Amino acid sequence: QQQVKQSPQSLIVQKGGISIINCAYENTAFDYFPWYQQFPGKGPALLIAIRPDVSEKQEGRFTISFNKSAKQFSLHIMDSQPGDSATYFCAAPTTSGTYKYIFGTGTRLKVLA
Amino acid sequence: DAGVIQSPRHEVTEMGQEVTLRCKPISGHNSLFWYRQTMMRGLELLIYFNNNVPIDDSGMPEDRFSAKMPNASFSTLKIQPSEPRDSAVYFCASRARDSPLGNEKLFFGSGTQLSVL
Repeated sequence: QQQVKQSPQSLIVQKGGISIINCAYENTAFDYFPWYQQFPGKGPALLIAIRPDVSEKQEGRFTISFNKSAKQFSLHIMDSQPGDSATYFCAAPTTSGTYKYIFGTGTRLKVLA
Repeated sequence: DAGVIQSPRHEVTEMGQEVTLRCKPISGHNSLFWYRQTMMRGLELLIYFNNNVPIDDSGMPEDRFSAKMPNASFSTLKIQPSEPRDSAVYFCASRARDSPLGNEKLFFGSGTQLSVL
């Protein structure tokens, strides 16, 4: 069964620090890699996404790094803020261009003030 | 736009009872998804509709689960009879019509927290 393995399960970071969350995938047909952010009591919301034709994408304090050869991608949150405290999910489509996503198991991030 | 609207927010029921969860997608979106979230299994896709037609229900756990989308602005997920192991948060999500390549953004509702006692 295709999987997306996400780590760590939980992460505690000091305010101003860098938060790093990693995901590894199996299917080489994966061609779209989004990260979703979920606050308690809310549904996930798209944070940032990348396609494998680029190795990095930055939006504000959030950066996705993509390593196609290693089949890994990671989310970096620079200058982490208490408001970033949430659960983060990586995801990938099961086949190229499909609607069907496999989500990682999530990383609960807590940023200390 | 009010976003994806789900109701109820919380549902507590007894084993064996019928449960109906409701979803109103974002106007103009033509794809609708039902997901289930648990600590053990994370986010699982249950069923996917495109233009009100069920395309893939392979994630529906068993025959006790059914979903309908009678029109573009409403969908239901029904569990009959409900069991304690169905306890989870159920999310509805919608996606814009003809999402261009590179823009596969799902918009999630706030979910229904279901507890089956």
